[in-house]
Amino acid sequence: EIVLTQSPATLSVSPGERVTLSCRASQSVRNNLGWYHQKPGQAPRLLIHDASTRATGVPARFSGSGSGTDFTLTIDSLEPEDFAIYFCQQGSDWPGMTFGQGTRLDIK
Amino acid sequence: QVQLVQSGAEVKKPGSSVKVSCKASGGTFSNYPINWVRQVPGQGLEWMGGIIPIYGTVNYAQKFQGRVTITTDDSTSTAYMELTSLRSEDTAVFYCAIPRGGTFDFWGQGTLVTVSS
Repeated sequence: EIVLTQSPATLSVSPGERVTLSCRASQSVRNNLGWYHQKPGQAPRLLIHDASTRATGVPARFSGSGSGTDFTLTIDSLEPEDFAIYFCQQGSDWPGMTFGQGTRLDIK
Repeated sequence: QVQLVQSGAEVKKPGSSVKVSCKASGGTFSNYPINWVRQVPGQGLEWMGGIIPIYGTVNYAQKFQGRVTITTDDSTSTAYMELTSLRSEDTAVFYCAIPRGGTFDFWGQGTLVTVSS
């Protein structure tokens, strides 16, 4: 099973700041990685697929990068609605998709 | 646009089973590889398994193998996930989701299953 490790576990930031979240895979997933955010009581929402492609309707302030084992999600100029939990997920090891444990983005 | 609507919350006794449904609309159901994801409260997401209706192929995560069964009813465009031998640790929200490529584009609203004596 491919293990995804996200860091940091929690990040406290202010609206308007830029943040970078990390996701590291235990083995190469090529570019088969996605990012989601999840707000309380809601299902996850796909933000980025194939490591760097924004999903339909996702604002341009979200960007993803990386390949192989190291990936980042960057959010430029945080909006109030961006405070949520962020998960990465690999789809390389079909049929054994796995998720990271999440990074919680809190308002400072 | 695909929409997935799940059945309502359930309360179950330890040792019993639960069957959660997921009704799809907005496309050709048999083409959708419907997957199920579990989220224990306050924790992360776990892929449980998935089915490709048009081929009838089903794959399960090793962790749930033997306890989970995923099926579909093409006549009603509905997928089902049945989990047996429930224990308190199975208290969770269960989501159905459809991937495109390796990531999940479409999600149901989630179904809370509470296992309690």
